[in-house]
Amino acid sequence: QSALTQPASVSGSPGQSITISCTGNSSDVEFYKLVLVSWYQQHPGKVPKLIIYGGSERPSGISNRFSASQSGNTASLTISGLQVEDEADYYCCSNVGTRTWVFGGGTRLTVL
Amino acid sequence: QVQLQESGPGLVKPSETLSLTCTVSGGSISSSNSYWSWIRQPAGKGLESIGRIYTSGFTDYNYSLKNRVTISVDTSKNQFFLHLNFVTAADTAVYYCVRGPGAATREAFDIWGQGRMVTVSS
Repeated sequence: QSALTQPASVSGSPGQSITISCTGNSSDVEFYKLVLVSWYQQHPGKVPKLIIYGGSERPSGISNRFSASQSGNTASLTISGLQVEDEADYYCCSNVGTRTWVFGGGTRLTVL
Repeated sequence: QVQLQESGPGLVKPSETLSLTCTVSGGSISSSNSYWSWIRQPAGKGLESIGRIYTSGFTDYNYSLKNRVTISVDTSKNQFFLHLNFVTAADTAVYYCVRGPGAATREAFDIWGQGRMVTVSS
């Protein structure tokens, strides 16, 4: 099955905005458009936490500083107003059309 | 508030079977129309979906593990299970039980257990 490609790392300063991309081939991210891509935040040694589902929706309790979108076969997570506590690993996830879910390789966000 | 908790041996010998249990509390495993999954994460690496089960017993498995994995459910005990056969060191990882994905969770993994570290070693 195809993997979803994320940058290994991104960085930003407090207050800035950053964007993490998640790119798949046409059978991955694009297949279900803005419906099935989800994003997870994982602090070191902690359990992953859902921060975006259904392509762009936030679960209850997730800050509106987190937003997501999709264009073509690339999904993107944007974090605005960066805070120190946003420093973590971020993973995208998508159904690949055969009732299989694939995660991206993860992106380490460093807040400088 | 639904919670999940993994349990099972933390050490498994090579070529043997890794068996884990996930106990669901705070709600019935059958009532939410949800799928229930296992996801693993080797140390320092990313997440890998192993497979999912619906309470009817319907399953989907990661293609790369399909020949070695079985996920089952016992609704009377509010539990679901993972069995991974013929393990090797490459199966050493933290194993999470998770709710989702499916229509009920908008295809996302929304509730995660705390994870169970399983080491494959003789």
